[in-house]
Amino acid sequence: QKEVEQDPGPLSVPEGAIVSLNCTYSNSAFQYFMWYRQYSRKGPELLMYTYSSGNKEDGRFTAQVDKSSKYISLFIRDSQPSDSATYLCAMRGGSYIPTFGRGTSLIVHP
Amino acid sequence: EPEVTQTPSHQVTQMGQEVILRCVPISNHLYFYWYRQILGQKVEFLVSFYNNEISEKSEIFDDQFSVERPDGSNFTLKIRSTKLEDSAMYFCASSEWHTDTEAFFGQGTRLTVV
Repeated sequence: QKEVEQDPGPLSVPEGAIVSLNCTYSNSAFQYFMWYRQYSRKGPELLMYTYSSGNKEDGRFTAQVDKSSKYISLFIRDSQPSDSATYLCAMRGGSYIPTFGRGTSLIVHP
Repeated sequence: EPEVTQTPSHQVTQMGQEVILRCVPISNHLYFYWYRQILGQKVEFLVSFYNNEISEKSEIFDDQFSVERPDGSNFTLKIRSTKLEDSAMYFCASSEWHTDTEAFFGQGTRLTVV
């Protein structure tokens, strides 16, 4: 079983839709959970950072962590064409060595 | 806006050759990182570096790899004898503090080993 599983997509949605991106993981030691956005030919950019379980909201973005189910989600409200990118989940335990998912390609069409 | 700069953007090298990838971190940052992403696969952590020492390294970062901060501005990743499987996008990142919440990534160097 892979440590972090993420559906590569592509996920295609119309502008204005609510987008749900998800990752599952197997390592119960993971405590820190990150979501990155990566545009084509660019480096990853941190979007959201959550410690342990719960929700965190930042503008149109909401990150959720359910440690009991080993499941994390990123919701994007009112999606825009500029949100079209690859979204990477990443997580780690006490060390600063993150494990990434493969990324989900999101396409928001006008 | 300050940014992490990586050079070259694309490097082609022959198998067995040494290659040095260069990064200029953000000027007041103290922690530096290298990641790689093989085409179509996930981003993988290689190494973190602080105060002229390696802080953490992954299993990928074996004796073929080394990092150096040769002067006050550059941070380099050296691969001693490249293999075909070293072909990947290599990302440098830097942060002011030892935290992933503040790390900024460069645009990457695509390394192709032929």
